[in-house]
Amino acid sequence: QKEVEQDPGPLSVPEGAIVSLNCTYSNSAFQYFMWYRQYSRKGPELLMYTYSSGNKEDGRFTAQVDKSSKYISLFIRDSQPSDSATYLCAMMPLGGYQKVTFGTGTKLQVIP
Amino acid sequence: NAGVTQTPKFRILKIGQSMTLQCAQDMNHNYMYWYRQDPGMGLKLIYYSVGAGITDKGEVPNGYNVSRSTTEDFPLRLELAAPSQTSVYFCASGGDANTGELFFGEGSRLTVL
Repeated sequence: QKEVEQDPGPLSVPEGAIVSLNCTYSNSAFQYFMWYRQYSRKGPELLMYTYSSGNKEDGRFTAQVDKSSKYISLFIRDSQPSDSATYLCAMMPLGGYQKVTFGTGTKLQVIP
Repeated sequence: NAGVTQTPKFRILKIGQSMTLQCAQDMNHNYMYWYRQDPGMGLKLIYYSVGAGITDKGEVPNGYNVSRSTTEDFPLRLELAAPSQTSVYFCASGGDANTGELFFGEGSRLTVL
């Protein structure tokens, strides 16, 4: 079993839709949960991070972590064509900066 | 502010050749990493470094070597290139262990024929 599971998609939605991206994990030591966005032929860039459980909102983006279910989500409201990218979840344990584990990424396409 | 700079961006190698992928960061980060990204496989950690003079293996180190003589530079050496090393290679650095934020370069696309 992989430590982090992520549906690869692709996910295609119309502009303005609410997008839900998800990851599950098996390592209960994970404490930091991140979402990276990767545009085609570019390096990933950090979109949001959350420590432990709970929700975090930043503009149109909301990250949720449910440690009891080992499940994390990223919601994108009012999706825009510029949101078209691959979204990678990432996780690491406390003090484990050298042990960031990435999901395989979900490719999102927002159609105008 | 350049961030993380990788060279070359593209390279074609023949089987058995060797080469070095260069990576430099100007953010004074202690942590540096090399990942490879294959389609549908996500990012796999090859090697990482927690500071100058200190390196350690990641998940997929076979066929690669690294060195870290300065804080800024973290080159990745491929010895005896094989087709299985065809991939996109990303260098990353990190300075804040409280967020897990990594800064990535734009990638080096390597094809081994």
